[in-house]
Parts: sequence; C-alpha cells; structure tokens
Amino acid sequence: EVVMTQSPATLSVSPGDRATLSCRASQSLRNNLAWYQQKPGQAPRLLIYDASARATGIPARFSGSGSGTEFTLTISSLQSEDFAVYYCQQYNHWPLTFGPGTKVDIK
Amino acid sequence: EVQLLESGGGLVQPGGSLRLSCALSGFAFENYPIDWVRQAPGKGLEWVSAISGSAGGTYYADSVKGRFTISRDNSKGTVYLQMNSLRVEDTAVYFCAKQGEMATMWSYIDSWGQGIRVTVSS
Repeated sequence: EVVMTQSPATLSVSPGDRATLSCRASQSLRNNLAWYQQKPGQAPRLLIYDASARATGIPARFSGSGSGTEFTLTISSLQSEDFAVYYCQQYNHWPLTFGPGTKVDIK
Repeated sequence: EVQLLESGGGLVQPGGSLRLSCALSGFAFENYPIDWVRQAPGKGLEWVSAISGSAGGTYYADSVKGRFTISRDNSKGTVYLQMNSLRVEDTAVYFCAKQGEMATMWSYIDSWGQGIRVTVSS
C-alpha cells in the first residue's frame, strides 16, 4: 500500500496570503495524484487531478505541481472560503490511499 | 447535474448488518467505476471499496474484506454496500463517490454524495 504523508498538519494563514501544502508518497505516482478540499459537515470537493489539472469550476488561485513522490498544492491568495482541510490522494497503485490532511486555518 | 444520493445508514449493534444504497443520476453511470469512501469521526478519508462500471470487478480494503460486499444494478442506477459483521471501528460517515475516468478502474474522484452516517454501538 502506498503511504501518503502531508505537511504541515496545520497551516495558519492570513487572508490574502499564499499557502503552500505538501504531499509525499512512499512510491512513485508518476502524476496520478489528486487534491480535495473538505469543509466541516460537507463532502470533499475535487480541486486538482493529474497533479496539476484544475477541476471544473475551481478558481485559478488553486494550482498543483509535482510528480513522482513529491507534490505541492498552492493557494495563491487565500480567501475566507478557502479555510478548510485539504487531502491528497493517489490513484497510481491499488488500493487508493489518502493523505492525513492539512488543516488551513485563519492566523 | 451529477448526483449521488446515499441512504440506509443508521445505528446497529456490533456483529449486525446494514445495506447502504447510492442512487446515481445525471451521467452515464454504467460507464464509471463507483467507490465507497468513509470518514470516522474527526478522522481522515479511508477508501473502502470500488466496483467497475460493468460490475465485472469489485475491490475491497483489507479492513473490510470478507465482511462487506459491493454491487450495482445499472438498470436502477444504484450501487449497494452490504455491510456484515459490523465492528465499532466501522463507525463513520460513508460517502458514495464517482470516479472521473471511464477508461481505467483507478482514477480521481470527481463527484461525491453528501454522506450517510453509520454508527456501530451496543
């Protein structure tokens, strides 16, 4: 099973600032990595797939990069609605596995 | 609009059974794999099971293998998760989820249901 790790566990950011979230895999994923946003009481929402492709309707302030075992989600200028938990997920190997999440909260 | 609507959750005693249903609409559901993903209270996301579009392939996490069975009826646009021998650690919100690609069994999840709560407790 591919183990996914995310850092930091919590990121405190001021509105308007840039946020950089990291995701690491225990094996190479090529570019088969997705990022999701989850707010309390809601289902996750797909933000990024194939490491860098934005999902339909996702604002341009969200961007993904990386390949192999190291990936990054960048939020260029945090808006109030962006404070949430972010998960990475690999789909290069069975079974699908998720990272433990990074909580982005207000500084 | 793609919609996935779960039902069938609730409170059950350890060792009991539940069957979750997921009603699919707004897309050609017979072409897409469907997954179940769960989230224990205050925890992260855990993939549970998946079924191919044709129902020819079914897959399970080790934590539920032998206890859970996934199935689908494309004539009804519904996916099921039969959960037997339930344990306290199966307590979670269960999400029905649509994979984003038709051509492969394993891809990202592009649509999620709202989730259904399953509580296993005596």
